[in-house]
Amino acid sequence: GAGVSQTPSNKVTEKGKYVELRCDPISGHTALYWYRQSLGQGPEFLIYFQGTGAADDSGLPNDRFFAVRPEGSVSTLKIQRTERGDSAVYLCASSFTGGTEAFFGQGTRLTVV
Amino acid sequence: GENVEQHPSTLSVQEGDSAVIKCTYSDSASNYFPWYKQELGKGPQLIIDIRSNVGEKKDQRIAVTLNKTAKHFSLHITETQPEDSAVYFCAVISNFGNEKLTFGTGTRLTIIP
Repeated sequence: GAGVSQTPSNKVTEKGKYVELRCDPISGHTALYWYRQSLGQGPEFLIYFQGTGAADDSGLPNDRFFAVRPEGSVSTLKIQRTERGDSAVYLCASSFTGGTEAFFGQGTRLTVV
Repeated sequence: GENVEQHPSTLSVQEGDSAVIKCTYSDSASNYFPWYKQELGKGPQLIIDIRSNVGEKKDQRIAVTLNKTAKHFSLHITETQPEDSAVYFCAVISNFGNEKLTFGTGTRLTIIP
């Protein structure tokens, strides 16, 4: 597609449930990032993929969060045992080589009730 | 880690006037400085960026200036229009190879018709 696509756009889940958020990057972009944005704040880094491997996962808040990119294109962010504090907009971005000109998707708004 | 401060948090300007948003950063090794515009319900959109070997960059009504000695950079929007109303974020990458963006806290810009 023309841009970064994220699905779903909205997700409401109950506390304790498991969720998966999907990101389709721009075709040909090898670098993929996940960020989390709370209301009124700037995006905060979660994880960065270069190809299939996670080059930097230092932003993942705890072991309930995990992300994969098995074929170097689509990525899935997985959150286990969701908590109300996980509620936020989860943003995905991609760039051609990494480090510059990152293009963001529209985000997935996750609400944990 | 990198710390990015952004001011002001809100800014209102008359249509046609100029707007300036400033950011400071802490890591002297930082070398890439993008600015993003975020409209309600959308992901951040890259509007302009600058690298550490350049002091100023301009793209039509938008310009960015960088002062590496003082560790600050600014976004300048001239001849503002109602469609410039949005939240603007500065961001920094500390060094190539460490690919994560550290964002400022955002500036809500309102253009008064």
